[in-house]
Amino acid sequence: EDQVTQSPEALRLQEGESSSLNCSYTVSGLRGLFWYRQDPGKGPEFLFTLYSAGEEKEKERLKATLTKKESFLHITAPKPEDSATYLCAVQAAGAQKLVFGQGTRLTINP
Amino acid sequence: ETGVTQTPRHLVMGMTNKKSLKCEQHLGHNAMYWYKQSAKKPLELMFVYSLEERVENNSVPSRFSPECPNSSHLFLHLHTLQPEDSALYLCASSQDFADTIYFGEGSWLTVV
Repeated sequence: EDQVTQSPEALRLQEGESSSLNCSYTVSGLRGLFWYRQDPGKGPEFLFTLYSAGEEKEKERLKATLTKKESFLHITAPKPEDSATYLCAVQAAGAQKLVFGQGTRLTINP
Repeated sequence: ETGVTQTPRHLVMGMTNKKSLKCEQHLGHNAMYWYKQSAKKPLELMFVYSLEERVENNSVPSRFSPECPNSSHLFLHLHTLQPEDSALYLCASSQDFADTIYFGEGSWLTVV
């Protein structure tokens, strides 16, 4: 069965303090790994798709990387507006659905 | 604005009521989804529609009844719900199953 585990569950950082969020996965043939951002009371907002080990993608202060077992979302010099829950999901080859992790709730203090 | 619009945003209903959630996508996609998000639990897939045909029903109780009249609209009909069905219901769409899924803002459902 496909599984996604995200850690930590919650993370508090000071503004400017860089860190990484982890997404470990097991999947029967990975088609893609997805990162979403979710603000309270809103739907998930798409950030990145990674397809193969070694791939990296960047957007502003965020950088996502992928290995055969896990993905990291690196956040560099975060700002308070980066506070949100970050969700990781995988899609197996030939599958119709995404399997989500429980998310990491990130809080950036000014 | 994600291109996926859900109404209502908030709904409170009694256990004997019948109500519906509506979703409309403006992205020209051919696949639509209902996901459920409960507190402290990962997003769970409920239903998948491709070209208006249901292709997956993820062991969802019959008190939830989906309807997809065309590729732009998706409904979730609700009847005789239980308090544990209170959650955020998210609609999403994609162009084929092998493409990125985009979510709406969700409908917060409270069953009293």
